[in-house]
Amino acid sequence: GAGVSQSPRYKVAKRGQDVALRCDPISGHVSLFWYQQALGQGPEFLTYFQNEAQLDKSGLPSDRFFAERPEGSVSTLKIQRTQQEDSAVYLCASFQGRVGSYEQYFGPGTRLTVT
Amino acid sequence: AQSVTQPDIHITVSEGASLELRCNYSYGATPYLFWYVQSPGQGLQLLLKYFSGDTLVQGIKGFEAEFKRSQSSFNLRKPSVHWSDAAEYFCAVGARYKYIFGTGTRLKVLA
Repeated sequence: GAGVSQSPRYKVAKRGQDVALRCDPISGHVSLFWYQQALGQGPEFLTYFQNEAQLDKSGLPSDRFFAERPEGSVSTLKIQRTQQEDSAVYLCASFQGRVGSYEQYFGPGTRLTVT
Repeated sequence: AQSVTQPDIHITVSEGASLELRCNYSYGATPYLFWYVQSPGQGLQLLLKYFSGDTLVQGIKGFEAEFKRSQSSFNLRKPSVHWSDAAEYFCAVGARYKYIFGTGTRLKVLA
């Protein structure tokens, strides 16, 4: 595709509900990232995939957060039993992974509001 | 520890004035450095990047940034600001594969 796409763009969940956020990276980009951006803050790293392998999940804030990329393209970030502190914009990014090409391209984000 | 500091939370400039946004980083090796811009409700758009070589880098929309190793800085500049530049600007350090972002500087442009 032309860019990174994310869906839904907005999600309102009641506390305790499970949510799933989808990311479609740029075609051919082997690396995919998820970031969490709280209001008034910069994005914070959550997790990283190279193809289908999740190589780093050190930024996931709790075991309620789970990410997958089963076929090495589309990724889903799942949050179980949502809490109010999960309210944030969730950004997905991808990059080619080639030497000399390290810039990440970001999607528009999914704004999650937990009520 | 790796970190990025953007000391100015808000900056207001008049249209046509020059702009400098500050960014200081802490990183053990030569970093990859980036500036991104985020308009309301939008994702992050890459303005420019530094990997190696010439320490003055040119980006899109007339922006440039200078890498100063001795000061651990990567300040963003623009000689003449346009009203459409009003947005939030983020500096980031590329630590291997993941980015560490600053907290952002919100730019307001007065007509």
